[in-house]
Amino acid sequence: DTAVSQTPKYLVTQMGNDKSIKCEQNLGHDTMYWYKQDSKKFLKIMFSYNNKELIINETVPNRFSPKSPDKAHLNLHINSLELGDSAVYFCASSPNVGRGNYGYTFGSGTRLTVV
Amino acid sequence: DAKTTQPPSMDCAEGRAANLPCNHSTISGNEYVYWYRQIHSQGPQYIIHGLKNNETNEMASLIITEDRKSSTLILPHATLRDTAVYYCIVRAFLDGNKLVFGAGTILRVKS
Repeated sequence: DTAVSQTPKYLVTQMGNDKSIKCEQNLGHDTMYWYKQDSKKFLKIMFSYNNKELIINETVPNRFSPKSPDKAHLNLHINSLELGDSAVYFCASSPNVGRGNYGYTFGSGTRLTVV
Repeated sequence: DAKTTQPPSMDCAEGRAANLPCNHSTISGNEYVYWYRQIHSQGPQYIIHGLKNNETNEMASLIITEDRKSSTLILPHATLRDTAVYYCIVRAFLDGNKLVFGAGTILRVKS
């Protein structure tokens, strides 16, 4: 079973479109994250949710809106896509904040290409 | 967040030990050292973490200096599949539990 699964794996879309990326984890973790890895390969955190509550928002444009219907899911909706949004987006999860130093589990990524 | 410094790249012969250094001179007393790696086109993978003592698991060993200002990740018998970018991260424990990734070290294992 895949621990953290993202869909779709690849997404090619035109500028101005709205798209969503879905993430699900079956590890029972309380915290989920979205990271962005751009063409220079730097991994940057975008959002973090703990039990459906937003706890980190790293000054991401408000065109990006995360939604967590339950603690096992964290979806990312992007409005009015721009060329600069092209990147690989990784979802991750970890046990609850403050419950010790456990590792993150990452998904395999969604490669978004805006044309 | 305490910052880390890693060499941009290293080479290692297959079957030999790979020793990846990391400097974290501004680490705080309650911050852990984490190591992750990212194999091409995959999501980052947790390897090991430690606070003060040396740690070992099925993947690697972590050696932390007594003053905690630096550490070394050791892959005892590197294989071609260990070719990846290795990230040394000091955990921002009080900052929403987030991991902050730097540039990492590209390890190339060669036959």
